[in-house]
Amino acid sequence: GAVVSQHPSRVICKSGTSVKIECRSLDFQATTMFWYRQFPKKSLMLMATSNEGSKATYEQGVEKDKFLINHASLTLSTLTVTSAHPEDSSFYICSATRNPPEAFFGQGTRLTVV
Amino acid sequence: GEDVEQSLFLSVREGDSSVINCTYTDSSSTYLYWYKQEPGAGLQLLTYIFSNMDMKQDQRLTVLLNKKDKHLSLRIADTQTGDSAIYFCAESKLSFGAGTTVTVRA
Repeated sequence: GAVVSQHPSRVICKSGTSVKIECRSLDFQATTMFWYRQFPKKSLMLMATSNEGSKATYEQGVEKDKFLINHASLTLSTLTVTSAHPEDSSFYICSATRNPPEAFFGQGTRLTVV
Repeated sequence: GEDVEQSLFLSVREGDSSVINCTYTDSSSTYLYWYKQEPGAGLQLLTYIFSNMDMKQDQRLTVLLNKKDKHLSLRIADTQTGDSAIYFCAESKLSFGAGTTVTVRA
């Protein structure tokens, strides 16, 4: 299958700082990328849908000023968690769609805010 | 209520078949997916089925779709210890179920 690379896989940051997570589709162009958050023993919660060259569409309840998404090219989307707090600690996963219906996921980023 | 529902746990003996069930609500879903997540890892696309199909087989995996009842199942034949993971079903809009934790015992 296609490869989606997410970086970093783990990050620890201090409360109040910002963290950027990258999602790259390595061998295909992804017009749409998705960002999810996963809580322990829970399913994935869709945070936002990111389309190349346009603003991201955020799900209800997700703060767009806190979770900044940029989809600068057909192979790269970034999620920046701004002014991180301990409650933002979570597992963040991106996915990228090739030709529908194939959606491929990154390996996830474990964010810990201390 | 949840858009996609799954049973949370399944324990199966090595070599037996596993059947994971899922119900969904969006009748317009064009595709339905099964993903596998191993501990601390991202999701791996296992298979998907078009909504106009009843069944899809891929090696040890068999997907059955009952569109009328909005019921999807994944059968894993000859379950191995490496199949221990969380399995998620998802609709076209990538709305996920809570995941079924499959534990394979010797």
